[in-house]
Amino acid sequence: DTGVSQNPRHKITKRGQNVTFRCDPISEHNRLYWYRQTLGQGPEFLTYFQNEAQLEKSRLLSDRFSAERPKGSFSTLEIQRTEQGDSAMYLCASTQKDTQYFGPGTRLTVL
Amino acid sequence: TQLLEQSPQFLSIQEGENLTVYCNSSSVFSSLQWYRQEPGEGPVLLVTVVTGGEVKKLKRLTFQFGDARKDSSLHITAAQTGDTGLYLCAGRQTGANNLFFGTGTRLTVIP
Repeated sequence: DTGVSQNPRHKITKRGQNVTFRCDPISEHNRLYWYRQTLGQGPEFLTYFQNEAQLEKSRLLSDRFSAERPKGSFSTLEIQRTEQGDSAMYLCASTQKDTQYFGPGTRLTVL
Repeated sequence: TQLLEQSPQFLSIQEGENLTVYCNSSSVFSSLQWYRQEPGEGPVLLVTVVTGGEVKKLKRLTFQFGDARKDSSLHITAAQTGDTGLYLCAGRQTGANNLFFGTGTRLTVIP
């Protein structure tokens, strides 16, 4: 399968814990995006990378959130000291030209 | 504040009926995309429109981009149960790298 993959698919954690999600983009795509989608809403942009450089961050990305793409391939999104409001689907997308291909997402539930 | 508003938010129709979903904004977009999202999955691109007034057809789906590139519509003819899903419009503003997603329309086609 050459699509975008995300792990884990589901994560349940207690408030205050740290969590890390991984995204493996389509191999030849140099741009990678992270979005957050809450129930009943469309995805909201969080951040994006071109190769290993993080070029843009949304105001939604508080200081508890950090994203990396160390070798320009896979990316990780870490949330520190999780809060109940962080519960959402976290989507990753990679692009070639203007078409974004989305992964299946990681659903985070913070208890 | 949502940049793109979709209507209706929910739509339940009988198989064989026609329907139209609207995506409206006060902002101009250089391109607009429509996605369909199944539960527990990431959005899948259906179409991209880039020219004001452009109409694209994808089998029973017809997409139109407004003349002023601020709005779009999706028309489905003779809906089928397989059309059930969350339909999202997403716009890209000139010079921006990320997409702004609409609020979504959840369509249910009843057999």
